[in-house]
Amino acid sequence: GDSVTQMEGPVTLSEEAFLTINCTYTATGYPSLFWYVQYPGEGLQLLLKATKADDKGSNKGFEATYRKETTSFHLEKGSVQVSDSAVYFCALLNAGGTSYGKLTFGQGTILTVHP
Amino acid sequence: DAGVTQSPTHLIKTRGQQVTLRCSPKSGHDTVSWYQQALGQGPQFIFQYYEEEERQRGNFPDRFSGHQFPNYSSELNVNALLLGDSALYLCASSVQGRNQPQHFGDGTRLSIL
Repeated sequence: GDSVTQMEGPVTLSEEAFLTINCTYTATGYPSLFWYVQYPGEGLQLLLKATKADDKGSNKGFEATYRKETTSFHLEKGSVQVSDSAVYFCALLNAGGTSYGKLTFGQGTILTVHP
Repeated sequence: DAGVTQSPTHLIKTRGQQVTLRCSPKSGHDTVSWYQQALGQGPQFIFQYYEEEERQRGNFPDRFSGHQFPNYSSELNVNALLLGDSALYLCASSVQGRNQPQHFGDGTRLSIL
């Protein structure tokens, strides 16, 4: 079945540092890929998405490129802020077969940014 | 424009009891999905409702059931609660169609004593 693997965390950075959170996936067909962010005590917020190979999703300084050849969707940000501290989830949505409509999530990566 | 709203925010139950959680989708959305998020884990898919029918189901026992109403709102029911059912229950809504993103509510924190 479909699966998503995220880099092990937690990740601790200083403000203005460069961020990379790795995400790889296994899926049949052509899934859409997403990054969600979860702040303490809240639900998940959609951060960015990409629906086909080589698409780049971007939002609030975060970027991720859908790489079909490496089955990856790594999240990057050039300069993190304290307010970016949260849990980040990579997820896929498979439009084909029995997975239609079901989001499959990675285990999440905790990011802490210090001033 | 209200987003996805869930109620209640927190709930405490004892083993063997039954619980009902509620969800109102984002305006314009017709599909509701439910997820269970255990502490420190990613959300796990429970089921999805569209046109008042369960369209897809994850690997959860029959103790978990749901309903969707004509106004697209939804309920999640869990019977015979177990300690292991303690989790954050998330509702997500979307527009039915290929690869439409799902938008989440803030969840209901269910604690089983």
